[in-house]
Amino acid sequence: GQQVMQIPQYQHVQEGEDFTTYCNSSTTLSNIQWYKQRPGGHPVFLIQLVKSGEVKKQKRLTFQFGEAKKNSSLHITATQTTDVGTYFCAGEVIQGAQKLVFGQGTRLTINP
Amino acid sequence: DAGVIQSPRHEVTEMGQEVTLRCKPISGHDYLFWYRQTMMRGLELLIYFNNNVPIDDSGMPEDRFSAKMPNASFSTLKIQPSEPRDSAVYFCASSLGRFRADTQYFGPGTRLTVL
Repeated sequence: GQQVMQIPQYQHVQEGEDFTTYCNSSTTLSNIQWYKQRPGGHPVFLIQLVKSGEVKKQKRLTFQFGEAKKNSSLHITATQTTDVGTYFCAGEVIQGAQKLVFGQGTRLTINP
Repeated sequence: DAGVIQSPRHEVTEMGQEVTLRCKPISGHDYLFWYRQTMMRGLELLIYFNNNVPIDDSGMPEDRFSAKMPNASFSTLKIQPSEPRDSAVYFCASSLGRFRADTQYFGPGTRLTVL
C-alpha cells in the first residue's frame, strides 16, 4: 500500500542546534502536511505544501516539498525547548480524497 | 469553538468487554476520521466519513471494530470483544474537506488499556 517513510525516528539535540526531519513517499503526493504532537498531546497542524519545489517558512521552521512531489523536509533552526515533540508528515496520495497517510514521525528531544 | 471532543479520555477494561469511544467533531466539518496510535505502528487511519457516510474503512483491523456516524455531530468507535492488543490511543479528527486535503483537527484522544 501507499507508504510515507520518515527519518530519523528519534533525534536528540542540544538547545540551539539545528534539526531536520525527512519524509519520503513511494508515490507522488497531491500535497503534504506537517503536524506536531507534544508529549501526551494530540497532533496539531503546522503547514501544508502543495506545489512542486515549494518552500515555506514559519519563524525558525522551514518546510520544503520536493520537485517530484515525493519528498519533503522540515528544518528547525536554533532549537528551543518548546520545540520538543514528535513531528509528522502526512501526504494526500489521491487528490481530493481527503485521506492522509502519516509518516512514523520523528521524536525530537532537547537538552537545555 | 470547543474543538473536537472525545470521551472518555481514559478507559481501562478487561479482555472480552465491549468498549465504545465517542467523538463530537467541529461544527460544520464534513469529514470525520478515526485514528489509532501505538508505538509500534504509529498513527493509523482506521476509517473516515464524509457527511456521515463511511468512505474508507480499509484500516479497520477486523470485524471486532465498528464505527458509526448517526448524525453530523456524533460518531462512535466500538470494539467488541476487546483484546489486550487493542490498547492504544484513539484519536478522532475532523476537517472541512475542500478541494485539497484540508487541515485535520484532532481531538485529545482516548487512551484505551485492555487488561
